[in-house]
Amino acid sequence: ETGVTQSPTHLIKTRGQQVTLRCSSQSGHNTVSWYQQALGQGPQFIFQYYREEENGRGNFPPRFSGLQFPNYSSELNVNALELDDSALYLCASSSPSNRGTDTQYFGPGTRLTVL
Amino acid sequence: SQQGEEDPQALSIQEGENATMNCSYKTSINNLQWYRQNSGRGLVHLILIRSNEREKHSGRLRVTLDTSKKSSSLLITASRAADTASYFCATSGGSTLGRLYFGRGTQLTVWP
Repeated sequence: ETGVTQSPTHLIKTRGQQVTLRCSSQSGHNTVSWYQQALGQGPQFIFQYYREEENGRGNFPPRFSGLQFPNYSSELNVNALELDDSALYLCASSSPSNRGTDTQYFGPGTRLTVL
Repeated sequence: SQQGEEDPQALSIQEGENATMNCSYKTSINNLQWYRQNSGRGLVHLILIRSNEREKHSGRLRVTLDTSKKSSSLLITASRAADTASYFCATSGGSTLGRLYFGRGTQLTVWP
């Protein structure tokens, strides 16, 4: 157990809808990163939040957005869902001393299915 | 691309045998990590090796890093059925420090 939790575990949405995924970081970690993992692929970096500000973004469109709260928990929002957004969404937290440069601890993921 | 690429894509062995997985990458790195994933669940961190290290051990795991060849290997000794999982290498470094780049992984199956 990494201490990183995600909710919900599974989610089914239809095209065009919006979804919010949630992540609670490990105690003491102030950096949260989000990854998308399509079936049979490795995780792809979406973005990272450090002390409530976006700290780097991968090759994802603006309809993928996020937030980090003062308690360092985080949300991933996806608008105008597309079929290709179906994937496992993983969040990872890391310790304050290195802003994600070292070990990242992953949550169990949220499985999103878009119909 | 900085993305790591694992080789082989799939590996099937018997319990007690050793399993070796390789990872190659293309740009300079700060560190390289190996993660394990069971059946589409979250990733579990196994080991991290920094760019100035050549070899690291953790229990039955041995990781090597050759920065001149931009490659790493993960050796699992005396494998067990419970080692069955997907294994990913992830690189971090350069201008994109803090984000991890993963390959497609190696699917390891250990038969009892």
